[in-house]
Amino acid sequence: EIVLTQSPATLSLSPGERATLSCRASQSVSSYLAWYQQKPGQAPRLLIYDASNRATGIPARFSGSGSGTDFTLTISSLEPEDFAVYYCQQRGNWPITFGQGTRLEIK
Amino acid sequence: EVQLLESGGGLVQPGGSLRLSCAASGFMFRSYYMYWVRQAPGKGLEWVSGITESGSSTYYADSVKGRFTISRDNSKNTLFLQMNTLRADDTALYYCANIKLDYWGQGTQVTVSS
Repeated sequence: EIVLTQSPATLSLSPGERATLSCRASQSVSSYLAWYQQKPGQAPRLLIYDASNRATGIPARFSGSGSGTDFTLTISSLEPEDFAVYYCQQRGNWPITFGQGTRLEIK
Repeated sequence: EVQLLESGGGLVQPGGSLRLSCAASGFMFRSYYMYWVRQAPGKGLEWVSGITESGSSTYYADSVKGRFTISRDNSKNTLFLQMNTLRADDTALYYCANIKLDYWGQGTQVTVSS
């Protein structure tokens, strides 16, 4: 099973700042890495698929990069609605696995 | 409009069984892999199981392998999860999902407790 380790566990930033979230895989997942956003009481929402492709309707301030074992989600300028929990997910190997999440909170 | 409507959750004693259902509409259900993902209270997302378009292949997380069975009825656009030998750590909100299209249900709560 591929283990995804996200860092940091919690990120405290202010609106307008840049957020950088990391996801590291225990073995290569090629580019089969997705990022999700989840707000309280809601189902997850896909932000990025295949490491760097924005999902439909996702604002351009969200970007993804990386391949192999190291991946990054960047939010260029935080909006108030961006404060949430973010998960990475690998789809390159069964079983599909999620990272433990990064909580992005308002400073 | 796309809908994934889960049902079948509830309170069950340890060692008991439940069968979850997920009724899909608004997309070509038979053309996609489907998945179950769960989230324990206050915890992160955990992928549980997946099934191919025809149902010929199924996949499971190690934590549920041998206890849970995923299946589908493409004639009724419905996904199932048979859960046996339930344990306290199976307590979670169970989501039905089409990951490729990013369609998710609102989840059905499963609580395993005596």
